[in-house]
Amino acid sequence: DIVMTQSPTSMSTSVGDRVTMNCKASQNVGSNVDWYQEKTGQSPKLLIYKASNRYTGVPDRFTGSGSGTDFTFTISNMQAEDLAMYYCMQSNSYPFTFGSGTRLEI
Amino acid sequence: EVQLVESGGGLVQPGSSLKLSCVASGFTFSSSNMHWIRQVPKKGLEWIAFIYYDGAHNYQADSVKGRFTISRDNSKNTLNLEMNSLRSEDTAMYYCAKYGRVTSLYYTMDAWGQGTSVTVSS
Repeated sequence: DIVMTQSPTSMSTSVGDRVTMNCKASQNVGSNVDWYQEKTGQSPKLLIYKASNRYTGVPDRFTGSGSGTDFTFTISNMQAEDLAMYYCMQSNSYPFTFGSGTRLEI
Repeated sequence: EVQLVESGGGLVQPGSSLKLSCVASGFTFSSSNMHWIRQVPKKGLEWIAFIYYDGAHNYQADSVKGRFTISRDNSKNTLNLEMNSLRSEDTAMYYCAKYGRVTSLYYTMDAWGQGTSVTVSS
């Protein structure tokens, strides 16, 4: 199975900050990585697909980049409503696997 | 609006069975591939099963293979997960997700249900 190593586990942030988190795949997954946001009490929501593409309606402060084994997710101007868990997921091969998540805190 | 509504969760004893369902609306369910994903309390997400739009093929995670069966009834817009020989480690929130096409060649889990909770305990 492909292991997605996500870092950091948590981050203390402030409104207006630039926030960056990473996922490293244990083998080449091409660009087949998606990023999800999970707020407390809600189900995950797709933010970024295919490594760098913003899903419909997602604000442009959310960006993704990377290919192969190294992927980055950035929030350029942190907002209070962005407090959540963020997960990467590889869909290059079954079983699909998720990173362990990054919790954003204030 | 895409809606996925899971049901069937509950408290069960180890070794017992449970059937989860996910009723879909707001999209053409019979043309959509679907997934089940679970989340252990305060832990991460685990993909557990996938089924093609016509039910012809499916995949399961090794952790549930031989115990869980994914199926669908396109006439009822319903995705199912039959869970047998349940263990304490199956305790989780179970989500169904639509595997939607976002580009001509790329699919992703573009909509998730709110989940149904399964607790396996004596």
